[in-house]
Amino acid sequence: DQQVKQNSPSLSVQEGRISILNCDYTNSMFDYFLWYKKYPAEGPTFLISISSIKDKNEDGRFTVFLNKSAKHLSLHIVPSQPGDSAVYFCAAIGGGSNYKLTFGKGTLLTVNP
Amino acid sequence: DGGITQSPKYLFRKEGQNVTLSCEQNLNHDAMYWYRQDPGQGLRLIYYSQIVNDFQKGDIAEGYSVSREKKESFPLTVTSAQKNPTAFYLCASSVGLGGNQPQHFGDGTRLSIL
Repeated sequence: DQQVKQNSPSLSVQEGRISILNCDYTNSMFDYFLWYKKYPAEGPTFLISISSIKDKNEDGRFTVFLNKSAKHLSLHIVPSQPGDSAVYFCAAIGGGSNYKLTFGKGTLLTVNP
Repeated sequence: DGGITQSPKYLFRKEGQNVTLSCEQNLNHDAMYWYRQDPGQGLRLIYYSQIVNDFQKGDIAEGYSVSREKKESFPLTVTSAQKNPTAFYLCASSVGLGGNQPQHFGDGTRLSIL
């Protein structure tokens, strides 16, 4: 049972435009959501997180939006840069477990110059 | 610089052998974790440790063992009982447990069976 889903395996955008990565979840008890970025042969790098009591968190070019009623979150990258090309993982924690990150399968973002 | 160091980057194992993956952190984090990633999949938790001399099983602990004798070190042993050990292994650490303490990852070890 996949509790965190990233339904788009890949996304391609033009440099300078907005990238929107989406994530859906099923466990309403999750209390934090995180986004990680991963380059090939490297570990994931933490980008940004949001508490379930918030609906938006912003850090530079990265903004995460949370819609609890829809059990949906999204990561916006504005403006997109070629160096943003990587796999992005959505993860959630909580729901009775304060230690385990539950990850989606990832979305490959390609930013074209 | 502070960070998490995993070694080796690539590891090959013969059938029936145990192998140990190293994970060291100098972030002064209390909590440490081991995850496994398979192609096209998200990460799955193998073991985690909240403090020294304590560790707990994650979702896929069968065929693996760990120790936490020092705060900065959390080695993972892949035993011969693990039937499908070929994967990318990631170690992580955090200040403590909970979503407000993001987990930070090393660069991983890729294990392959000869």
